[in-house]
Amino acid sequence: EVQLVESGGGLVQPGGSLRLSCTASGFTFTSYSMNWVRQAPEKGLEWVSYITSSTTGIYYADSVKGRFTISRDNAKNSVYLQMNSLRAEDTALYYCARSLKGSFDSWGQGILVTVSS
Amino acid sequence: EIVLTQSPATLSLSPGERATLSCRASQSVSSYLAWYQQKPGQAPRLLIYDAFNRATGIPARFSGSGSGTDFTLTISSLEPEDFAVYYCQQRTNWQYSFGQGTKLEIK
Repeated sequence: EVQLVESGGGLVQPGGSLRLSCTASGFTFTSYSMNWVRQAPEKGLEWVSYITSSTTGIYYADSVKGRFTISRDNAKNSVYLQMNSLRAEDTALYYCARSLKGSFDSWGQGILVTVSS
Repeated sequence: EIVLTQSPATLSLSPGERATLSCRASQSVSSYLAWYQQKPGQAPRLLIYDAFNRATGIPARFSGSGSGTDFTLTISSLEPEDFAVYYCQQRTNWQYSFGQGTKLEIK
């Protein structure tokens, strides 16, 4: 069974930093590209970032470019999201999601990030 | 940036009825269009990818169609568990975007 488990969320002040982790199991991690997708409270879905299996391809939404950094450690079956210069509008539930042909076929349960003073 | 517009915003139907949900792209996305179902307190679930391919384990009552800028998700006969929010999503030039969602509610 495919499992994606996010961790590292919490409350952070505006301008602060946070690092999210996602640990995968139940599939061959090195065969898949991975993503972060977020959902603000009572709002729709927003794609955040994408990383290929070998890390040769990395892409970001314009809303986070220059502030967020995606990475992965294939030896640990994990993908990360380093979030710097956080803003109130970054408050959301952050999902880790596996890629399938330009879509997202498996999702974690999400981790909440709240940016507030 | 490609904008996806879903209609209607809310669809009120009864179990057993047919549901037709629309997604229109601001420019062509070829067939790179997916559909998701999200229930309260749950992560989204992939239903359809590449416009018409059902994801693993998705019942045959869900079908997708369309290409270019106009896409449709059809649920042939609604089951009680189908009432949820549905999102479309596209990928072009390594940028992804979602529609704003259609809420399918029980009439």
